[in-house]
Order: sequence, then C-alpha cells, then structure tokens
Amino acid sequence: EDKVVQSPLSLVVHEGDTVTLNCSYEVTNFRSLLWYKQEKKAPTFLFMLTSSGIEKKSGRLSSILDKKELFSILNITATQTGDSAIYLCAGGGADGLTFGKGTHLIIQP
Amino acid sequence: DVKVTQSSRYLVKRTGEKVFLECVQDMDHENMFWYRQDPGLGLRLIYFSYDVKMKEKGDIPEGYSVSREKKERFSLILESASTNQTSMYLCASITGGHTYNEQFFGPGTRLTVL
Repeated sequence: EDKVVQSPLSLVVHEGDTVTLNCSYEVTNFRSLLWYKQEKKAPTFLFMLTSSGIEKKSGRLSSILDKKELFSILNITATQTGDSAIYLCAGGGADGLTFGKGTHLIIQP
Repeated sequence: DVKVTQSSRYLVKRTGEKVFLECVQDMDHENMFWYRQDPGLGLRLIYFSYDVKMKEKGDIPEGYSVSREKKERFSLILESASTNQTSMYLCASITGGHTYNEQFFGPGTRLTVL
C-alpha cells in the first residue's frame, strides 16, 4: 500500500524564521511528488518534482526531491504571516496520487 | 499573454450521456491537469499528463478518462455522466522547467448533470 508521511504535523514559528517541511514516501512505480498549500478549502499548487537533486524555487519557497532516500523537503525562508497554511505533499505513482496528512504551519507576528 | 482555454463555460447534460471537456494551452507546456472543485471539498485532482499520450491518475479518477493526443490539448471524458459529477471543472498547465514551476488555470467549466 502506498504511503506518504509528512513531518512535523504542526509547527509554530515567528515571522522571519526559516522552516523546513518534510515528506517521505513509499509509492509504487513512483513518477512525481507534488507540494500544495491549503488555505481554507482550496489547495494551491506549489511544485511538481520528478528529478532527484534539482531544486525548484518560487520566491521564498524551494523544494528538492531525493529519489534514493525517498523524501522531499519544502523550505520557506523569511516566513510571513501569509505563509500560515496546511502544506500537503502527494506522491504520484501507479495507483494515482497519495496525499500525506499535511503540516499545519502557523507563523506568529 | 499566456492562455489556458476551456471549450465551454457552462454545460448541462443528462445522466448517461458521454461528455467531453476540452482544454487548450498555448504555452507549449508539458504538464496539464484536470481538477474538479466542489463546495466544502476544495480542489481535487482528477488526472494529469506529463506529455503527449501520457496520463496519470490523480486522487479521484473514477468515472473519468482523459486523452492527450497533442501537446496543447488535454481532454477530460465522462463516459456516462452521473449527477454526482455535477461540479466546476478546472484545467491547468504548468511549465516543465527544472528550477521553476508556475501553474496557469483555465476559466473553468460548470457542468450540471440532470
């Protein structure tokens, strides 16, 4: 059975801090790993990673995939209160997309 | 201007009908996605495609199929529409670059199945 595990489940930091969110996966015939930011109800796509070792960046967010160790990290630098959200990662494989439970990130002013 | 277009903004079909939703992007993107959006459930991924003739299941593929015969076009097919497929359907494409991703959404198709 495919499995995606995110850690930590929740995280509280102060504005300006840098955070690292973790995602490990066991996905049959793995093809890609996706990161989403979920605020209220609709998730926003962040990154899709298919190649190991290549960092993807978008502003203060970056992510990288390690296909040998089966994990990905999402980094957010200089955090802002608007970064508060649930961050979801999902592994895409033979049976479709398997989501982790998410990391609830809270940025305090 | 980058553009993702969807064939219809509003569509009304009857239960059992075959439904085609077309999505076209003019940005030469490799990756295209179909989502549905429902109140209280957020955005859910149905299928996505890395390249022509390639398709991958999302988290709710049941009752749907897709077709990607040309790079710019990604079609979502409801073989036999049912009332629980009444929803807003959104198509998106993203760049396939190594270091940067940006996702562009179409305007959506609001499908009602009677």
